[in-house]
Amino acid sequence: NAGVTQTPKFQVLKTGQSMTLQCAQDMNHEYMSWYRQDPGMGLRLIHYSVGAGITDQGEVPNGYNVSRSTTEDFPLRLLSAAPSQTSVYFCASSGRRFQDEQFFGPGTRLTVL
Amino acid sequence: GIQVEQSPPDLILQEGANSTLRCNFSDSVNNLQWFHQNPWGQLINLFYIPSGTKQNGRLSATTVATERYSLLYISSSQTTDSGVYFCAVDRAGTALIFGKGTTLSVSS
Repeated sequence: NAGVTQTPKFQVLKTGQSMTLQCAQDMNHEYMSWYRQDPGMGLRLIHYSVGAGITDQGEVPNGYNVSRSTTEDFPLRLLSAAPSQTSVYFCASSGRRFQDEQFFGPGTRLTVL
Repeated sequence: GIQVEQSPPDLILQEGANSTLRCNFSDSVNNLQWFHQNPWGQLINLFYIPSGTKQNGRLSATTVATERYSLLYISSSQTTDSGVYFCAVDRAGTALIFGKGTTLSVSS
């Protein structure tokens, strides 16, 4: 099993550009989520999904969109990048319930100029 | 929403020393997990421990749910233990809320 994979590992954008961060898991997990990590702030939840076709907002959803068309994939879209979105982004998945052990991807380091 | 506070924010140890990290949370929870983020940024789940005590090698954790705290014990610390330790909780079965972490530095 590859676990949770994320692409790209690094990305530099200009203000106003759009892009999609990819996340995939091969553990047949129902629950997937996106976090951002900023210095001194810990991890903050952006969006999460409890299954294919179902998504919901987390603590800091503004400026981000998600969709979940398959169990395996959970992409995060930045529609119009802003410097405030410079951060490290982590995707995570867990089993039948959110209470189960969380598995994290390696992260994507995004810089918005 | 639920608040998660970790202490101390920073900890510096010599190799071989023991340490205790604390996580306080402001409301009842049905999920508590400890994570280690290594210096390369990878997040590893250490314990899923909404209550009780668990041990895994040199690491152990105790959660006293009625008093709203959890402790992570590291014994005989090694340089590879360096990194940031996060506590995360959830009460609604929807999302984990993370503390700001404890940064541990172990020197040889």
